[in-house]
Amino acid sequence: GAVVSQHPSRVICKSGTSVKIECRSLDFQATTMFWYRQFPKKSLMLMATSNEGSKATYEQGVEKDKFLINHASLTLSTLTVTSAHPEDSSFYICSARPWSGQETQYFGPGTRLLVL
Amino acid sequence: DAKTTQPPSMDCAEGRAANLPCNHSTISGNEYVYWYRQIHSQGPQYIIHGLKNNETNEMASLIITEDRKSSTLILPHATLRDTAVYYCIGYYNQGGKLIFGQGTELSVKP
Repeated sequence: GAVVSQHPSRVICKSGTSVKIECRSLDFQATTMFWYRQFPKKSLMLMATSNEGSKATYEQGVEKDKFLINHASLTLSTLTVTSAHPEDSSFYICSARPWSGQETQYFGPGTRLLVL
Repeated sequence: DAKTTQPPSMDCAEGRAANLPCNHSTISGNEYVYWYRQIHSQGPQYIIHGLKNNETNEMASLIITEDRKSSTLILPHATLRDTAVYYCIGYYNQGGKLIFGQGTELSVKP
């Protein structure tokens, strides 16, 4: 149990375009999902906390207009990288926390974004 | 969230126990100690967590000192597939956030 999926697994796009990444909890409902980014040989950096039915909470230094987060249901959160630039190229990872009261977070497999 | 300190890297021989230390001297009484690992180019995988008692599951054992200032993750019989970066994180389980440090890069060698 506790499986989280992400789609796509990797994406290449041109500079200036927008890219949407989906995060789904497959076998549980998650009121809270989290988005991280990771640069090569670096640790994960928390970008934002996504709560179902409300606005996301962004970490300091993360542009909310650049990284749009929507958590429309208890099993789906999306991250849209708007007007992507090469410096947005990174590994994006989501996690989901079950609403059953069990606080362990489970992570998706990640999405590798390359902006040309 | 509690700040944790881990050695940047460790080696372990295949089949031997891997003991990964973590210092979390500023952890508060209601913060759990969580361990995750990340195999190259994958999302982090949950391993185990504990509050103050030692814990064991099918993957590992977690030994937390009585003063809760440090802990050790034990992989009893390391295999090559256990090569990964291991993260120790202090986590407040009521609405907390997982904040990752640098972790320990464990290399299991034949």
